[in-house]
Amino acid sequence: GAVVSQHPSWVICKSGTSVKIECRSLDFQATTMFWYRQFPKQSLMLMATSNEGSKATYEQGVEKDKFLINHASLTLSTLTVTSAHPEDSSFYICSARDSVAGGAYEQYFGPGTRLTVT
Amino acid sequence: KQEVTQIPAALSVPEGENLVLNCSFTDSAIYNLQWFRQDPGKGLTSLLLIQSSQREQTSGRLNASLDKSSGRSTLYIAASQPGDSATYLCAVQANSKLTFGKGITLSVRP
Repeated sequence: GAVVSQHPSWVICKSGTSVKIECRSLDFQATTMFWYRQFPKQSLMLMATSNEGSKATYEQGVEKDKFLINHASLTLSTLTVTSAHPEDSSFYICSARDSVAGGAYEQYFGPGTRLTVT
Repeated sequence: KQEVTQIPAALSVPEGENLVLNCSFTDSAIYNLQWFRQDPGKGLTSLLLIQSSQREQTSGRLNASLDKSSGRSTLYIAASQPGDSATYLCAVQANSKLTFGKGITLSVRP
């Protein structure tokens, strides 16, 4: 149980284009999902917290107009990188928290998406 | 602001050795602490989660301890194997957010 998927697993795009990454909780409902990015040999940095049916909460320094997050259902959140630039190249990982299990507040992580902007 | 530190950044040991990975955090007001494993280019695999009221958790050859008051956690790996080679990340949860350390890259030599 508690499986989170991401699609695509890797994507290459040209500078100036937009890329959408999907994050799905496969066997549980997730009121809250999180988006992280990870640079080589660095830790995961939280970009934003996504709540179903409401606007995402972005961390300081993350441009909300550049990284569009939509959490339209209890099993799906999407991250769109708009007008991508080479410096946006990174490993993007989502996680989801089981709305029903609640108490442990454990986050379940997706396998990540490698974005390369040329 | 919560900061999580993992030292050293890398560790190499011979197969069969028992080892301890350390994690420290600056703010003891945490809800829980998790240890993750990350293989190169992959996502995170949760290894152990310790609630703030607990002192340790065990799973197979892994044992994690938590000393919240001193802001420390250790991950003990018994009888290490080459398959244990990966990066091990420690993360603390507070205010519904996870703060990660940079991880310790472990290499177990056959």
